[in-house]
Amino acid sequence: DQQVKQNSPSLSVQEGRISILNCDYTNSMFDYFLWYKKYPAEGPTFLISISSIKDKNEDGRFTVFLNKSAKHLSLHIVPSQPGDSAVYFCAAIPDSNYQLIWGAGTKLIIKP
Amino acid sequence: DGGITQSPKYLFRKEGQNVTLSCEQNLNHDAMYWYRQDPGQGLRLIYYSQIVNDFQKGDIAEGYSVSREKKESFPLTVTSAQKNPTAFYLCASTEVGGWNTEAFFGQGTRLTVV
Repeated sequence: DQQVKQNSPSLSVQEGRISILNCDYTNSMFDYFLWYKKYPAEGPTFLISISSIKDKNEDGRFTVFLNKSAKHLSLHIVPSQPGDSAVYFCAAIPDSNYQLIWGAGTKLIIKP
Repeated sequence: DGGITQSPKYLFRKEGQNVTLSCEQNLNHDAMYWYRQDPGQGLRLIYYSQIVNDFQKGDIAEGYSVSREKKESFPLTVTSAQKNPTAFYLCASTEVGGWNTEAFFGQGTRLTVV
């Protein structure tokens, strides 16, 4: 049973518009969430994170929103750029700091 | 430059053979991890190590083995007991404190059984 779900396998967005990637989780004990970006045949790179005590974290063009009551988080990219085309993984940290629970990823395609 | 190096980038294995994937880091990180990525799935944890000479099984450890004789190195052996080894393998490391601090991933090794 997947504890972290990214229900959209892919998303296509026009360059310059907002990209919104969604992630749902089932375990209310998760206390930290991260987004990673991955290009083909490369390792993921850390993008942005959010603690469960916050509902928003912003870093440049990237903003992550957390809705704990809905067990939902989203990553907003504004404005979207061609270099943003990649697979985005949502991940959550349970009570142990040494493991991550990963979503299946969403492939973002930015159209020129 | 600090980072994680995985080698080789591509690896071909005949059925019944054991192969070892290399992972080296010069970040002085205590914790290291091996993940497997399959299409349409999230990264799945194979093994992780929090300290030298100690490691724990992840979610899919069957058919794999690891060692952690040095802080910098965490090699993964894919044994002949692994039924479906063709996948993309990723190594990662974090400081003490785990994923709340920045984690680094290697470039990955694509293993194909021929």
